[in-house]
Amino acid sequence: EADIYQTPRYLVIGTGKKITLECSQTMGHDKMYWYQQDPGMELHLIHYSYGVNSTEKGDLSSESTVSRIRTEHFPLTLESARPSHTSQYLCASSDSDSYGYTFGSGTRLTVV
Amino acid sequence: DQQVKQNSPSLSVQEGRISILNCDYTNSMFDYFLWYKKYPAEGPTFLISISSIKDKNEDGRFTVFLNKSAKHLSLHIVPSQPGDSAVYFCAASVSRGNEKLTFGTGTRLTIIP
Repeated sequence: EADIYQTPRYLVIGTGKKITLECSQTMGHDKMYWYQQDPGMELHLIHYSYGVNSTEKGDLSSESTVSRIRTEHFPLTLESARPSHTSQYLCASSDSDSYGYTFGSGTRLTVV
Repeated sequence: DQQVKQNSPSLSVQEGRISILNCDYTNSMFDYFLWYKKYPAEGPTFLISISSIKDKNEDGRFTVFLNKSAKHLSLHIVPSQPGDSAVYFCAASVSRGNEKLTFGTGTRLTIIP
């Protein structure tokens, strides 16, 4: 049973639209992450948070933004989607006692 | 600069045989290493990890070996089963639970019945 939930699983949207990818976890983890993955490529960290009201940009530059108003919730927003944003977006969480991350099932975004 | 490398994009192994997946890293600050397994259209799931104070960690059919001097780790799966067919990602961090993970590009393992 998943303890970290991402919605939607699949999204096809037109260029210029604003979208929010949802991510919620029920484990009380203080750290949360967003990774982006293109087929056959490594996972690239685009945003992370070490707690409420804490957000940082990751190693890969992204036009998306995130917020962390509640411990369990870490949504990612694209103000104006473009075809170059087409990718899989994976949310994850961890805490100091974790063996690595717990990942959600991902959102596969297609911008047409 | 890719700090974690998996040079084999794919690997095919006969069912029942040993699967060996390899990973190399360049950052000497990495202290904690993990393997994840990913099925299509799903998020990666944690498989096994190893701290730099050890050179081997075993969990059932899965064993991870770490060679710090060579900056190399490997995942052994024995015996391989059809359900093991997936993409395997190697990941590294500077400490367990405290830092961001850096991932490799993954190796697609196919187990042939």
